[in-house]
Amino acid sequence: EDQVTQSPEALRLQEGESSSLNCSYTVSGLRGLFWYRQDPGKGPEFLFTLYSAGEEKEKERLKATLTKKESFLHITAPKPEDSATYLCAVQAGQGAQKLVFGQGTRLTINP
Amino acid sequence: DAGVTQSPTHLIKTRGQHVTLRCSPISGHKSVSWYQQVLGQGPQFIFQYYEKEERGRGNFPDRFSARQFPNYSSELNVNALLLGDSALYLCASTLASGTVSYEQYFGPGTRLTVT
Repeated sequence: EDQVTQSPEALRLQEGESSSLNCSYTVSGLRGLFWYRQDPGKGPEFLFTLYSAGEEKEKERLKATLTKKESFLHITAPKPEDSATYLCAVQAGQGAQKLVFGQGTRLTINP
Repeated sequence: DAGVTQSPTHLIKTRGQHVTLRCSPISGHKSVSWYQQVLGQGPQFIFQYYEKEERGRGNFPDRFSARQFPNYSSELNVNALLLGDSALYLCASTLASGTVSYEQYFGPGTRLTVT
């Protein structure tokens, strides 16, 4: 069964303090790995899709990387507005556009 | 352009009742998926529909059902509500279906509370 584990569960940083969030996955036939940002009470906001090991994507202060077993979301010089829960999800196998999510990392950036 | 829309925003129901949630995908998207998100957890896949046909089903009881209309909008129905059905119900819109991995865009969700 496809599994996604995110760590840490929660992370508190000072403004400007860079760090990384981890997403480890066990799947049969990865088709894509997705990162989302979710604010409290709202739907997930799409950030990145990664398709193969070695791929990297950047958006503002965020950079996502992918290996054969895990993905990292690097946050450089974060600001308070980057505070949110970051969700990782995988899509694997054939057929349905089903995403399997991790439990998320709750990130808090203190000013 | 409008994103994914869902209605209602919030809903309070009593145990044993029935509920219908609605979703309109992004214009041009033909596939809709439904997810359940319990507080503190990641979303869990319930259904995917493409061209009015069910393309995938998650591990949910038969009390959960869905359908897709010719305009690609969708409804999620839940019968005989239980307290454990209280959650944020999310709809995701995708361009198509098949072996290609498409980006999924989520709506704001419907917060269902069962008392």
